[in-house]
Amino acid sequence: DADVTQTPRNRITKTGKRIMLECSQTKGHDRMYWYRQDPGLGLQLIYYSFDVKDINKGEISDGYSVSRQAQAKFSLSLESAIPNQTALYFCATSDLGGEQFFGPGTRLTVL
Amino acid sequence: KNQVEQSPQSLIILEGKNCTLQCNYTVSPFSNLRWYKQDTGRGPVSLTIMTFSENTKSNGRYTATLDADTKQSSLHITASQLSDSASYICVVASAGNNRKLIWGLGTSLAVNP
Repeated sequence: DADVTQTPRNRITKTGKRIMLECSQTKGHDRMYWYRQDPGLGLQLIYYSFDVKDINKGEISDGYSVSRQAQAKFSLSLESAIPNQTALYFCATSDLGGEQFFGPGTRLTVL
Repeated sequence: KNQVEQSPQSLIILEGKNCTLQCNYTVSPFSNLRWYKQDTGRGPVSLTIMTFSENTKSNGRYTATLDADTKQSSLHITASQLSDSASYICVVASAGNNRKLIWGLGTSLAVNP
């Protein structure tokens, strides 16, 4: 089984809809991250969490929110989706050493 | 401004050949440099992580070098295989109070038979 899983893998939605992307990990890591990737751009950090009670904004947090339900679960929400949030979204985990392990990604399309 | 620049942007080689990808950075203070492999539509996978004191690190047919004085790194792929076709991303971690990862745009490598 994959160490980091994301659901859904693909999602098409309409402008204004609320969307939740979920991430689960079995690596036992405390640290979890959400990134987005757009064509021609590097990965951009949206939010990160160093433990269940710790949530931090990344470079591009506007329009997004997160919830760390447990050590193994970190969800990303788009309260009111807009077309420029169409992107590939990745969840990642790491231990204190810093090496990050990524999930398979969620391809989100906002019409 | 902290930046990571990679070259070439894309590269096509024949199976069995070697290739070298370049990464220049201006990140300061420096913590470590990472190389990731990203297959199309999938998450990045870590290849190597090097700290300031490490000049070279290997992972199978992948060998990364780091020159912290000139702020340059390279990733050398030996005896390329079709499965090496992917994007290779250089990432530099900054140190200090404002730690962050600065991601390069990647080099897209195509290995043809």
